[in-house]
Formats: sequence, structure tokens, C-alpha cells
Amino acid sequence: KAGVTQTPRYLIKTRGQQVTLSCSPISGHRSVSWYQQTPGQGLQFLFEYFSETQRNKGNFPGRFSGRQFSNSRSEMNVSTLELGDSALYLCASSFRPGLTGYEQYFGPGTRLTVT
Amino acid sequence: GIQVEQSPPDLILQEGANSTLRCNFSDSVNNLQWFHQNPWGQLINLFYIPSGTKQNGRLSATTVATERYSLLYISSSQTTDSGVYFCAVKGSWVTSGSRLTFGEGTQLTVNP
Repeated sequence: KAGVTQTPRYLIKTRGQQVTLSCSPISGHRSVSWYQQTPGQGLQFLFEYFSETQRNKGNFPGRFSGRQFSNSRSEMNVSTLELGDSALYLCASSFRPGLTGYEQYFGPGTRLTVT
Repeated sequence: GIQVEQSPPDLILQEGANSTLRCNFSDSVNNLQWFHQNPWGQLINLFYIPSGTKQNGRLSATTVATERYSLLYISSSQTTDSGVYFCAVKGSWVTSGSRLTFGEGTQLTVNP
């Protein structure tokens, strides 16, 4: 079974631009979560989607948004990029949300550099 | 929110040595995962272990949920074990949904 895929793997953007990252979960998984990893803040939760609905959101500004499609694929968008948005963006998929949760599996990440 | 502390932050070993990594968490958790982050940044699943003990080859893990800690054991370490090890927990569904809260990680270096 194929793992979580993320595209693109690397991206260089200029301040003020916007960017869209894509994530395809493991086949049969319907929950997708996004995380940001930076050297200063570590791994931080951005948001979670299930059944095309945002279920949970982390403490990030409104410039960070996302969506999920009917095939469970998800995209996240960052508008008006700032230097501090340079990070590794990781997508995780799991079977579905739940009280006790299900194991989450991560993709290889998209490394975004903002200049 | 829930706090996760990992120790030690850095660990340097000679090949063949054993090690124990610790993860403490501040509140009840519904699940806990251990990951190894490879040099390219991908998080590799090691264990999904909300409680009890599991073993996979040279690696094993124990979570004592009532005492709010988990341990990852690496035996007969190899240079390929180098990297950052993360503990991540999921707290109450009401307060955190499915989000995982990560510790700061343990940077492991295994020298030949």
C-alpha cells in the first residue's frame, strides 16, 4: 500500500507570494492533518480535515488555510508569505478521527523556503 | 494544553551500546506514538503505544499511562539509528481532537 505523498517536495518563494501544498493520504484513510516544523518552534499542529470539513485548528494566523476534497486529498495554502513561514510542512493521514485516535502516518514533507 | 517533555535532548553513543529515551506528559493521553525523523525530514513510525509494552527488533517501548511517561529502548545501536526521536501524544478528544502534541525530540548520534 502506498504511503502518504506530498507535492512539491521543495519550494522557494518570495515574501508576499502565496503557496499551495498538496497531500494525498494512504488509500482508505480519510483524516488528514498538517504540521509545521521549524528549528525554533518544533513540530506544531496546523489543522485537521475529515470528510471535507476542518475538524480542528492550531494557533496559526488566518493566512494559513486548507481544504479537503471528496477523495480525501488535501491542500494547504499560505498567503502573503513571510520569512518566518520557511519550514518543513508535514502531512499526516489516519483512518479517521476518534475518541482514542488512530495511528497517524506522515508524508515526506514539503520544504518551503521564503526569501 | 498538554505538555510533552523528552530527555535527554542529546545523546551520543558508540555503535553497539544500548540507550533509553524518556517521554513525560502532563495530562492523560488517549494515544502515544514514537517516531524517528530521518535526515530527509520524514517521520518514520516506530510505535503506536498508548499503554503497555511493544517490541520490534532491537527497539522496544513501554508506556505507563497512569504515571504519564513512556520509554523507548534501543539495543545494540547502529549508525543508521542516528537521527531525532520524537514522542507525540494525543490528549482529550474534547480539547484537542486528533491533534498530536510533540516533544522537542532527542537527537541521537551513533558513532562507528
